[in-house]
Amino acid sequence: KAGVTQTPRYLIKTRGQQVTLSCSPISGHRSVSWYQQTPGQGLQFLFEYFSETQRNKGNFPGRFSGRQFSNSRSEMNVSTLELGDSALYLCASSQSQTGTGELFFGEGSRLTVL
Amino acid sequence: GNSVTQMEGPVTLSEEAFLTINCTYTATGYPSLFWYVQYPGEGLQLLLKATKADDKGSNKGFEATYRKETTSFHLEKGSVQVSDSAVYFCALTSNSGNTPLVFGKGTRLSVIA
Repeated sequence: KAGVTQTPRYLIKTRGQQVTLSCSPISGHRSVSWYQQTPGQGLQFLFEYFSETQRNKGNFPGRFSGRQFSNSRSEMNVSTLELGDSALYLCASSQSQTGTGELFFGEGSRLTVL
Repeated sequence: GNSVTQMEGPVTLSEEAFLTINCTYTATGYPSLFWYVQYPGEGLQLLLKATKADDKGSNKGFEATYRKETTSFHLEKGSVQVSDSAVYFCALTSNSGNTPLVFGKGTRLSVIA
């Protein structure tokens, strides 16, 4: 069974640009969550989608957005990039809505903003 | 709100040493507690979990007991190996509703031969 796949794995952008990250969950998983990981703040929750609906949203500015498609694949977008957006962005999937805590993580997309 | 506090790292141990990584939490209701591990260059993996007070989660020689009276979920292993070198994250989710997993900041463990 294939795991959670995130693309791209690495990317470099400049301030002011926008970026789109993609996540393919494990087959049969309907929930996708996104986290931002930085050395200083650790893992911070961005948002969760279940059956194409945003179920939870973390405390991030509106520049961070996401969506989920009917095949459960998810994308997140960051517009008007800032230096502080440099981070590892992790996607996680689960069979049901968050609450069980059993998330399966991808390897992440490492974003560097110059 | 819910929060998790882990001991600061890094932790460096010799092979076969005893490991304890402290984790305490603040939560409303009765949360479920987890330890996740992140090996170099990889995403997080669930290591073990406990869903109610006094439960003990265990996996790969690691153990943690859900202590409601001390709001703690310390991770222990009797004899670490070099392959245990990783970052360990304590996490919780509330059983009272649909809430996201909240993580501690992680503790980096380095085991030297």
